[in-house]
Amino acid sequence: DAMVIQNPRYQVTQFGKPVTLSCSQTLNHNVMYWYQQKSSQAPKLLFHYYDKDFNNEADTPDNFQSRRPNTSFCFLDIRSPGLGDAAMYLCATSRRLSGTGDEKLFFGSGTQLSVL
Amino acid sequence: DQQVKQNSPSLSVQEGRISILNCDYTNSMFDYFLWYKKYPAEGPTFLISISSIKDKNEDGRFTVFLNKSAKHLSLHIVPSQPGDSAVYFCAASAYNQGGKLIFGQGTELSVKP
Repeated sequence: DAMVIQNPRYQVTQFGKPVTLSCSQTLNHNVMYWYQQKSSQAPKLLFHYYDKDFNNEADTPDNFQSRRPNTSFCFLDIRSPGLGDAAMYLCATSRRLSGTGDEKLFFGSGTQLSVL
Repeated sequence: DQQVKQNSPSLSVQEGRISILNCDYTNSMFDYFLWYKKYPAEGPTFLISISSIKDKNEDGRFTVFLNKSAKHLSLHIVPSQPGDSAVYFCAASAYNQGGKLIFGQGTELSVKP
């Protein structure tokens, strides 16, 4: 009964070759987030969707894009992966925006991206 | 500029004893604090939270303490169990700053039998 599902668990891509990571949710939550986590570092928010409204963090590189075709699915597109983009990518959902009272995030298991 | 810091990358505790995980923050506008727990090969899961209007919140073996003047919070686990071995992330948000959740780097807790 997984609620936030990320595929694949491991993804290997070549330097400069576009790659797409996917996330789906069965919680019917309004908000979906993408976080990047590098080894021993804090998860870093890249962007989020509130329904269809896209919100990009100011320091997220243009190389990273996202799509949310419907409530259940959200994709992370990396147009030209560099070696520095190798990381764990975490998808998360919430009913309302985080920071609204005790709104919790529900995370998927993550996709570990390697760039060769 | 790291707004939420967990200065101890790892902590080792004997089963049955208390585990204390610490977190410091710099943004005085933070008004909600949360702890997440992460097992290997899984995503983080919510553990416990505290509002800035409180100084303590307890849930079973887990208690979070908030010291606003020191901009410090801590998570106490009593008694610690081997199943508590995981990475613990502290996170904070400020409602009037968009509510974005800012995470610390995590502390890996190991509870030894």
